Amino acid sequence: DTAVSQTPKYLVTQMGNDKSIKCEQNLGHDTMYWYKQDSKKFLKIMFSYNNKELIINETVPNRFSPKSPDKAHLNLHINSLELGDSAVYFCASSQTGRGVLNTGELFFGEGSRLTVL
Amino acid sequence: AQSVTQPDIHITVSEGASLELRCNYSYGATPYLFWYVQSPGQGLQLLLKYFSGDTLVQGIKGFEAEFKRSQSSFNLRKPSVHWSDAAEYFCAVGPRGGNKLVFGAGTILRVKS
Repeated sequence: DTAVSQTPKYLVTQMGNDKSIKCEQNLGHDTMYWYKQDSKKFLKIMFSYNNKELIINETVPNRFSPKSPDKAHLNLHINSLELGDSAVYFCASSQTGRGVLNTGELFFGEGSRLTVL
Repeated sequence: AQSVTQPDIHITVSEGASLELRCNYSYGATPYLFWYVQSPGQGLQLLLKYFSGDTLVQGIKGFEAEFKRSQSSFNLRKPSVHWSDAAEYFCAVGPRGGNKLVFGAGTILRVKS
């Protein structure tokens, strides 16, 4: 049973299109994230949701809109795709806050490779 | 501001040789420290983590790391590298009880037979 699963794994699209990536976690975690890994493999956080509430919103163009319908799901919608959006997008989850369940560890999905032509 | 530096972009070692990957961090409080490994086309898998206590931590696949507060370092080691260890390794730092990990730029490990 995959802990953090994201779809699609590969996405090739034209500039100007709108696309979505979906993520689901079955770990019972309260926090989910989107990270972007660029062509140099640098990983940078984009967004974080805790119990469906947006808590981290890094400097990301507003063409990127995350949505969390419940704490097990976090989707990423991207409008008007640009060449520079080509990257691998990783979803992750963790249990945060006080308590023994907080290990600080992120559990990652396998990534969604977005290629914008 | 918190940051992680992995000084080596690439490292090549012979199979069976020992390995040390360097990681230095900058953090204003006591951090959580992590090493993750990423195989080609895969997500990140946790190798080991340090929260408190013994500064030498053991992880999966025979890896260990030592936390040195005075040097702000958390270097990853393995006594004998296997060809299957070829991957990219990321060091990360985060807050206790918090939820935002900052990653280093990664070190690509190549293993030659």
